[in-house]
Amino acid sequence: AQRVTQPEKLLSVFKGAPVELKCNYSYSGSPELFWYVQYSRQRLQLLLRHISRESIKGFTADLNKGETSFHLKKPFAQEEDSAMYYCALRMDSNYQLIWGAGTKLIIKP
Amino acid sequence: GAGVSQSPSNKVTEKGKDVELRCDPISGHTALYWYRQSLGQGLEFLIYFQGNSAPDKSGLPSDRFSAERTGGSVSTLTIQRTQQEDSAVYLCASSFGRTQRDTQYFGPGTRLTVL
Repeated sequence: AQRVTQPEKLLSVFKGAPVELKCNYSYSGSPELFWYVQYSRQRLQLLLRHISRESIKGFTADLNKGETSFHLKKPFAQEEDSAMYYCALRMDSNYQLIWGAGTKLIIKP
Repeated sequence: GAGVSQSPSNKVTEKGKDVELRCDPISGHTALYWYRQSLGQGLEFLIYFQGNSAPDKSGLPSDRFSAERTGGSVSTLTIQRTQQEDSAVYLCASSFGRTQRDTQYFGPGTRLTVL
């Protein structure tokens, strides 16, 4: 069955340090991968999607089909990056998103 | 313009009661989605609307759950005879619906607590 795994429930790093939030998926077709972010007391919002191949707020994510991963990276973490991050998968020709359980990122000053 | 709105923001009910949760999508968005998020879990897909039709109800966890959408706009998720395991945050999202790749925009959610 299709699945998205975020192995870390909590990740804590110091400001200015690099950060990597892991996401692995299981799906044999052509996936579309997303990262969504939810800041404290705000609604869930799209951070980036792999087909856009863009950097948002300094974050990047590369789809690695060989490793079935879509890890989110930022070279220098900022305190405002503290939030819940969710990885999601959309299967080809489908509207439905399959979600990971999320990783809470805490950036320490 | 305004984003997706949901009401109520919080709902506390007693086991066995019925509840209705409302979602107002972004104007012009034809696709609407309901998700459920239990504590410490990712989002669980419940149902998808394209216009007023629900081509996929496969995520509804039991026949106590139903949803409708009228006028291609507002949607209501109804849970009958609520159980404690129904306690969760219920999220609604909408998208343009022109393609399956359209970005989904989320509402703030309704936190349901069943005592």
